[in-house]
Amino acid sequence: KQEVTQIPAALSVPEGENLVLNCSFTDSAIYNLQWFRQDPGKGLTSLLLIQSSQREQTSGRLNASLDKSSGRSTLYIAASQPGDSATYLCAVRRNDYKLSFGAGTTVTVRA
Amino acid sequence: DTAVSQTPKYLVTQMGNDKSIKCEQNLGHDTMYWYKQDSKKFLKIMFSYNNKELIINETVPNRFSPKSPDKAHLNLHINSLELGDSAVYFCASSQDRRGAEQYFGPGTRLTVT
Repeated sequence: KQEVTQIPAALSVPEGENLVLNCSFTDSAIYNLQWFRQDPGKGLTSLLLIQSSQREQTSGRLNASLDKSSGRSTLYIAASQPGDSATYLCAVRRNDYKLSFGAGTTVTVRA
Repeated sequence: DTAVSQTPKYLVTQMGNDKSIKCEQNLGHDTMYWYKQDSKKFLKIMFSYNNKELIINETVPNRFSPKSPDKAHLNLHINSLELGDSAVYFCASSQDRRGAEQYFGPGTRLTVT
């Protein structure tokens, strides 16, 4: 069974600071890993999708790395803004295509 | 245009009732999903359909029955609702079943009293 852990559960930073969000998973036989953002009362918005053969993906201020052998992914958000305040979830897809989500990291960026 | 839509957005009902939630996607995707997000915000997959065929059926009470009339629609019917069914239910879709990016609907908040 795939278990996905996200640390820390919550994070508060001043505007302009870089954010580092961690995701770890117990079974390294994964197909891909996806990072999402969820705003209060809203659905999930896909941020980045990393295939198992990739080491990282970048989109604007966001960069996600994947180390399959150690069961870790890290989402970096550069120069954080108040609009980045949200809950960030990582989801791991196994080779049998089943999905497991972490509990999320709730980020608050203070103006 | 909304890519993945769900109705209703809110649903309040009493224990023992039967209710349905509808989901539609206009992205031309082959695969659709139902997720449950509980009060602790933990998201768990319930079902997945690929081209109207059930491909993922997690450990979910058989009071929950998904139905896919065509590949653009995936509905969720819940019989004999219980207090523990209160949660937010999300529909999602992806281009294929193997691991394409998933797009989520806005969610349906179900409250059972």
